[in-house]
Amino acid sequence: DSGVTQTPKHLITATGQRVTLRCSPRSGDLSVYWYQQSLDQGLQFLIQYYNGEERAKGNILERFSAQQFPDLHSELNLSSLELGDSALYFCASSVGPEQFFGPGTRLTVL
Amino acid sequence: DAKTTQPPSMDCAEGRAANLPCNHSTISGNEYVYWYRQIHSQGPQYIIHGLKNNETNEMASLIITEDRKSSTLILPHATLRDTAVYYCIVTRYSGAGSYQLTFGKGTKLSVIP
Repeated sequence: DSGVTQTPKHLITATGQRVTLRCSPRSGDLSVYWYQQSLDQGLQFLIQYYNGEERAKGNILERFSAQQFPDLHSELNLSSLELGDSALYFCASSVGPEQFFGPGTRLTVL
Repeated sequence: DAKTTQPPSMDCAEGRAANLPCNHSTISGNEYVYWYRQIHSQGPQYIIHGLKNNETNEMASLIITEDRKSSTLILPHATLRDTAVYYCIVTRYSGAGSYQLTFGKGTKLSVIP
């Protein structure tokens, strides 16, 4: 158990819909990262927040957005969903050089 | 971040040492070598990282060549639970828990009974 929690574990939705994935980092970790893992693209870094502020952006689509709240939990919002957005979404947190990953949310878009 | 090259797959007998190579010939002086692994579809797990010197922890050892262009992750006594995809990642660590991981395809290690 990494100490990072993600909800929900599974999400099934339809194309065009909007969903929100939630991540609670380890206690005391100020950085939160979001990653997407799909069969064809592998594990890709999406975005990082540090203490409430966006720190770095990766291959995040404009339809996707994220935020980190004062209690340091983070949410990843995915809108206008397409079939290709079906993937595992991981959140990670860190305070030092090691990133701790959560168990992931499996999103299926039908 | 520098690119890395790893063999797509390797086998290792249970109880033997697993040596996983990684080439990173374009690594810069301030870039670290990280190793993570992913067991099935679980979240990736940190193993070890280093800059220049060899490193060892309770999970593994990391051997970095003197020119830093390649490294080897060593699992001293592989068990069936070590079957996973192992990722070698080179990245710049900017402090305060701030760095990004660029995952490649990794090496699929199969530990055989």
